[in-house]
Amino acid sequence: DAKTTQPPSMDCAEGRAANLPCNHSTISGNEYVYWYRQIHSQGPQYIIHGLKNNETNEMASLIITEDRKSSTLILPHATLRDTAVYYCIVRAQEAGNMLTFGGGTRLMVKP
Amino acid sequence: EPEVTQTPSHQVTQMGQEVILRCVPISNHLYFYWYRQILGQKVEFLVSFYNNEISEKSEIFDDQFSVERPDGSNFTLKIRSTKLEDSAMYFCASSVQTTGELFFGEGSRLTVL
Repeated sequence: DAKTTQPPSMDCAEGRAANLPCNHSTISGNEYVYWYRQIHSQGPQYIIHGLKNNETNEMASLIITEDRKSSTLILPHATLRDTAVYYCIVRAQEAGNMLTFGGGTRLMVKP
Repeated sequence: EPEVTQTPSHQVTQMGQEVILRCVPISNHLYFYWYRQILGQKVEFLVSFYNNEISEKSEIFDDQFSVERPDGSNFTLKIRSTKLEDSAMYFCASSVQTTGELFFGEGSRLTVL
């Protein structure tokens, strides 16, 4: 799997957009970008995934650069409940769900 | 909304004892997983299970660990002889396919004394 690099921590004001970056410069053509988050010590929660096109769902948007070497997860209107560790994971679709979690980004949403 | 449920939420055991952690995956899911997270460390993959057999396992999943789907609903992780370093939060997960969204349970905290 391609390695990912994320900032260890970020702050965001409540109600503002949270933009979480991820670098994956060694990503291969068949590897998807997945985002999960972990609120406190609960089980990780799936957010979104994509290959090369930008993706949006009810939780977030995923913007992948044209060269696919980096991506940004956007929480459009962050709330206090979005305070969590956010993990960017790169995985080939056929490789299954043996996910490799890194250190992630600890997002603190402040009032 | 369907969810993965795990029991117990917290178990304390003595070193050397056997422990069984139980999980009820989402009912129409076919793929089942165990992950663990030692306090303050990363979430680590242990094992994946499909069609009543292990599909993948990590180096952590040694002979002390086993998994079983004893009936149509439960999925269990057994640790035969617990060690201090087995203390961790154990997460069960399930998915419809091998790809896409993985649904995690709330975890079972194991404390080995």
